[in-house]
Amino acid sequence: QVNLQESGPGLVKPSQPLSVTCSVTGYSITTSYYYWNWIRKFPGNKLEWMGYISYDGSIYYNPSLKSRISITRDTSKNQFFLQLNTVTTEDTAVYYCARGLFNYGGYWFAYWGQGTLVTVSS
Amino acid sequence: DIQMTQSPASLSASLGETVTIQCQASEDIYSGLAWYQQKPGKSPQLLIYGASSLQDGVPSRFSGSGSGTQYSLKISSMQTEDEGVYFCQQGLKYPLTFGSGTKLEIK
Repeated sequence: QVNLQESGPGLVKPSQPLSVTCSVTGYSITTSYYYWNWIRKFPGNKLEWMGYISYDGSIYYNPSLKSRISITRDTSKNQFFLQLNTVTTEDTAVYYCARGLFNYGGYWFAYWGQGTLVTVSS
Repeated sequence: DIQMTQSPASLSASLGETVTIQCQASEDIYSGLAWYQQKPGKSPQLLIYGASSLQDGVPSRFSGSGSGTQYSLKISSMQTEDEGVYFCQQGLKYPLTFGSGTKLEIK
């Protein structure tokens, strides 16, 4: 059974970088054909897909974040990482990692971490 | 980006009642649609994918339908444990996008 667990700083100051780690157990992040995603939920329920790193290391970012986001991985630790630069209070959200799969004509998220709240405040 | 418009924003239903939630895409998404349920303090749970395929372990009272730009999620007999927020998500084109959510409560 795949399990994802986020860990983050809790509080980040404006203009600083935000870094969150997703630790995956029960499944290798290099196994075909899964994609490892970051999704965030803002106060008020809005969900935003941020991007993914795939089983083969390819990366895709949401264009709305492209200048600020970086997703990387450490295959030896079966972890992947989110870094979001130059944060503002509008980046306050619960950050989720999720495993995605393309099938039946679309791309879905069947496994999610429990989420980590990151608050941007001075 | 494909915009997903979800309705209603909230609703309340009695036990045993049939509930329907709608989702409209800003362009044809060719059944590339999923539905999720999220309970307070929990992560979203995949219910339906490919517009109408039931995810393993999801009760059969949940069903999805639709095509083109119009999709719906139906709960055939509302149960207490169905309270939560429901989201649609288009999975056809990047960037992947979500609806704004429907909060479902017991009446």
